[in-house]
Amino acid sequence: DIVMTQSPDSLAVSLGERATINCKSSQSVLNRSNNKNYLSWHQQKPGQPPKLLIYWASTRESGVPDRFSGSGSGTDFTLTISSLQAEDVAVYYCHQYYGALGTFGQGTKVEVK
Amino acid sequence: EVQLVESGGGLTQPGGSLRLSCAASGFTVSGNHMSWARQAPGKGLEWVSIIQTGGRTHYADPVKGRFTISRDNSDNTLYLQMNSLSAEDSAVYYCARYDNSGSYPDYWGQGTLVSVSS
Repeated sequence: DIVMTQSPDSLAVSLGERATINCKSSQSVLNRSNNKNYLSWHQQKPGQPPKLLIYWASTRESGVPDRFSGSGSGTDFTLTISSLQAEDVAVYYCHQYYGALGTFGQGTKVEVK
Repeated sequence: EVQLVESGGGLTQPGGSLRLSCAASGFTVSGNHMSWARQAPGKGLEWVSIIQTGGRTHYADPVKGRFTISRDNSDNTLYLQMNSLSAEDSAVYYCARYDNSGSYPDYWGQGTLVSVSS
């Protein structure tokens, strides 16, 4: 199984400042036949189900604010919140879907400093 | 509008069984890969099972031989039959729809809580 490791486990950022979350996979999730990275990011606010933010590593889901962006390729990926808003307080999960069932990272909790 | 509504959770004893349902609307469950994930209290997300459009199924190792995923096209519902439950199965169970290319989960239900305790 592909293991996904996120860093940090938690971070506190001032409102309006940048938040950066890293995700590393134990093996590449880049499919060279279509040049796509099988990596998505999901946001889970307290008491709510997850919500898709980013897929194919860098494509923003419809309706997701443009302050959220994804980057990276192969085994190293990043989710960036360019200007943290109060409503962005949540746990963020990276997820690889290269395998049949996929695996999640352990989650990164984002709070307001 | 895509909606997923889970039901069937509750309290059961170790060794017991439960059947979870996920009623879908806004699309047909047979037209997309569908899956179940779970989240133990205070923990992260873990995939449980997936059923692909062609009917092929996959299970996470901890539930193989105990859980069965299925779908009913007539009532557009996804199911998860859970047998031989243990305390380690206690979690909120979410159903999720995969996107039309069958790649990543794009919609999640609200979840249903399963508690296994004597």
